[in-house]
Amino acid sequence: NAGVTQTPKFQVLKTGQSMTLQCAQDMNHNSMYWYRQDPGMGLRLIYYSASEGTTDKGEVPNGYNVSRLNKREFSLRLESAAPSQTSVYFCASIKGGTGEEKLFFGSGTQLSVL
Amino acid sequence: QKEVEQDPGPLSVPEGAIVSLNCTYSNSAFQYFMWYRQYSRKGPELLMYTYSSGNKEDGRFTAQVDKSSKYISLFIRDSQPSDSATYLCAMTTGYALNFGKGTSLLVTP
Repeated sequence: NAGVTQTPKFQVLKTGQSMTLQCAQDMNHNSMYWYRQDPGMGLRLIYYSASEGTTDKGEVPNGYNVSRLNKREFSLRLESAAPSQTSVYFCASIKGGTGEEKLFFGSGTQLSVL
Repeated sequence: QKEVEQDPGPLSVPEGAIVSLNCTYSNSAFQYFMWYRQYSRKGPELLMYTYSSGNKEDGRFTAQVDKSSKYISLFIRDSQPSDSATYLCAMTTGYALNFGKGTSLLVTP
């Protein structure tokens, strides 16, 4: 029972480098989300995908791009990493995109940008 | 003003104590209310989910929603050291959840 799988678990980048965070879920969920979590700031929504083929901006989308590759996979890309993007990133998914259903989280990616 | 406010703590209690965690919110359109527990270096996991005003009990945990006051609470009875974690409230009108910043709880033996 894998649930939501994120890779990598840890990453260190230099300012200006690019990278893609991968997320996959095996629960046949329709909606997927990317959050970042910073001390004192809580979880903040970066982007979400309500269904395959759609993506929308969340609270803090600047500096990020996303791709909903298929129903299972939702990737987050940093084109030119900045120290302000040092954070823990969580991918999450939910069955129907309604509040009635459980939001499952991955175990997170700890990203440091030097 | 953030839509969801939650005291970050930390909150330290002795084992066996009753713990009360609270959140207030400003958006009266929120319909669904949740509490998540997050252990260090882990993703949040859902503890409680409620829809209407009132109480919902699950073992040692009770979730309370007061829509008229825009206030939700989580009570933990007979707290255990294993309850030491960060507790996040969350609420939604439909799609993306709005999270509180989380309250750090330490239960000491």
